[in-house]
Amino acid sequence: EIVLTQSPATLSLSPGERATLSCRASQSVSSSLAWYQQKPGQAPRLLISDASSRATGIPSRFSGSGSGTDFTLTISSLEPEDFAVYYCQQGGNWPLTFGGGTKVETK
Amino acid sequence: QVQLQESGPGLVKPSETLSLTCAVSGGSISSNYWSWLRQSPGKKLEWIGHIYHTGATTYNPSLKSRVTISMDTSKNQLSLNLTPATAADTAVYYCAKQRRDGFHNWFDPWGQGVLVTVSS
Repeated sequence: EIVLTQSPATLSLSPGERATLSCRASQSVSSSLAWYQQKPGQAPRLLISDASSRATGIPSRFSGSGSGTDFTLTISSLEPEDFAVYYCQQGGNWPLTFGGGTKVETK
Repeated sequence: QVQLQESGPGLVKPSETLSLTCAVSGGSISSNYWSWLRQSPGKKLEWIGHIYHTGATTYNPSLKSRVTISMDTSKNQLSLNLTPATAADTAVYYCAKQRRDGFHNWFDPWGQGVLVTVSS
């Protein structure tokens, strides 16, 4: 099974700052990586698929990059509604697996 | 837009069967893949398995011996059975539409989730 390691576990930032989240896979997943946002009491919401394709309705301040084993989710300028937990998920190898999450909190 | 809604008992006794349903609206389950996932109290997300509209299933090896996913096209709903349930199965359970593009798989949208506690 492919293990996804997200870092940092917690990111403390202020609105307007840039957020850079990392996801590392234990073996290559090519570009088969997705990112989700989860707010308290809600289900995860798809942000990015195929490493860099924004889902429908996702603002352009969210961008994804990477391939192989190293991936990055960047939020160019944090809005108040962006403070949440973010998960990566690999979608090219069975079983499908998720990272442990990065919490973006207000500094 | 497809919407999903999970339902089922919120409390299950150890060694019994955890049974959930997922009602799909705004689209037919007679196409695409449909998945069940869960999130433990520690927030770890786990893919349980999926069913294709043909009825073919794939399960996570960690749960394969205990899980069954099925579908009822007449009701446009999915079902999940997990037996025997243990305390480690306590989690929020989600159903989701699984998107596939070649070898790529991701989940969108998700249901709101249902909390299931396994306890005597």
